[in-house]
Amino acid sequence: QQQVKQSPQSLIVQKGGISIINCAYENTAFDYFPWYQQFPGKGPALLIAIRPDVSEKKEGRFTISFNKSAKQFSLHIMDSQPGDSATYFCAAMETSGSRLTFGEGTQLTVNP
Amino acid sequence: DTEVTQTPKHLVMGMTNKKSLKCEQHMGHRAMYWYKQKAKKPPELMFVYSYEKLSINESVPSRFSPECPNSSLLNLHLHALQPEDSALYLCASSLARGASGNTIYFGEGSWLTVV
Repeated sequence: QQQVKQSPQSLIVQKGGISIINCAYENTAFDYFPWYQQFPGKGPALLIAIRPDVSEKKEGRFTISFNKSAKQFSLHIMDSQPGDSATYFCAAMETSGSRLTFGEGTQLTVNP
Repeated sequence: DTEVTQTPKHLVMGMTNKKSLKCEQHMGHRAMYWYKQKAKKPPELMFVYSYEKLSINESVPSRFSPECPNSSLLNLHLHALQPEDSALYLCASSLARGASGNTIYFGEGSWLTVV
């Protein structure tokens, strides 16, 4: 059972544009939502994370928006750059758990 | 320093071989993890160690045998693997198991090819 649904599967954006990746979850016990960035041949690296007590978190060009009632959260990449081209995974974790439940991933390509 | 170091980066082994993957962290983290990642798929949890004790085994076949010699080291012993076990094996660590906002840091991974 897929508990975190991520879309789109792939995304192509022009340099300087906004990249938006969406995730939806089912388990209301989730209370920690990280985003990981993975370049080819590398391990996932934590990009930004949010807890459900805030609706938005911004770090540089990256912003997470969180809608608790809709059980949805999204990643916005402003002024997208070719160096942002990577696979992005949303994830979720329960307070008492150890398991990161990942979305299926979004392959982002930013064209120069 | 948020670094999880994995060796080797690449490993090719036959189905009758015995090999080991190694992972090391010096961040004082007490929870360590093994994940398996196939191409174009998210990582899948295999094992969780908490304070050097195995706390979660996600029904992983016995041909994969984890070991945590101390709080900084994590090994994954491999024996009689199948070609379908070829994947990227990721080690990760976090300050402690569970706890909301407990960042999990991943290593670069070990690429395993079973021939």
